[in-house]
Amino acid sequence: GNSVTQMEGPVTLSEEAFLTINCTYTATGYPSLFWYVQYPGEGLQLLLKATKADDKGSNKGFEATYRKETTSFHLEKGSVQVSDSAVYFCALKAYNNNDMRFGAGTRLTVKP
Amino acid sequence: DGGITQSPKYLFRKEGQNVTLSCEQNLNHDAMYWYRQDPGQGLRLIYYSQIVNDFQKGDIAEGYSVSREKKESFPLTVTSAQKNPTAFYLCASSARAGTDSYEQYFGPGTRLTVT
Repeated sequence: GNSVTQMEGPVTLSEEAFLTINCTYTATGYPSLFWYVQYPGEGLQLLLKATKADDKGSNKGFEATYRKETTSFHLEKGSVQVSDSAVYFCALKAYNNNDMRFGAGTRLTVKP
Repeated sequence: DGGITQSPKYLFRKEGQNVTLSCEQNLNHDAMYWYRQDPGQGLRLIYYSQIVNDFQKGDIAEGYSVSREKKESFPLTVTSAQKNPTAFYLCASSARAGTDSYEQYFGPGTRLTVT
């Protein structure tokens, strides 16, 4: 079945450091890929998405590229801020299927 | 503003009582979902519904029940049969499968504590 594996946390960075959170997937066909962010005590918010191979999703300085050859969708940001501290979830969804699969989440803490 | 509302934000119950969590959306989405999140863990799917009056079990449906009588509403009942009900519950909705915008939108969650 479809599944997502993302790097285990927690990840702790200093402000302005470069961020990478790895995400790889297993799926049949051509799924869409997503990154969600969850702030403490809140629901998940869609951060970015990509619907086909080589697409790059971007939002708020974050970006991720859909790499079919490596089945990956790594999240990157060039310079993190304290306000980026949150839990980040990678997810995939098949086109004609409502079933969305989430990774376990990666907790990011950014220190001033 | 379109969105998903869940109420209440915090809910406390005694063991052995059934409790119903509310989820309402005004996004005109066909599909709705319930997830459970435990500390430090990802999301696990409890139930989902792709259309009114129809729903399917997810990965951890035992001890839970749902109804979908209206497009906007998808309440979740946590029954006394659920062995470990204390958790953070998230409701989500999406357009139907096969459409362009089918990412899931989430409500703010309900934290249920059973003692």
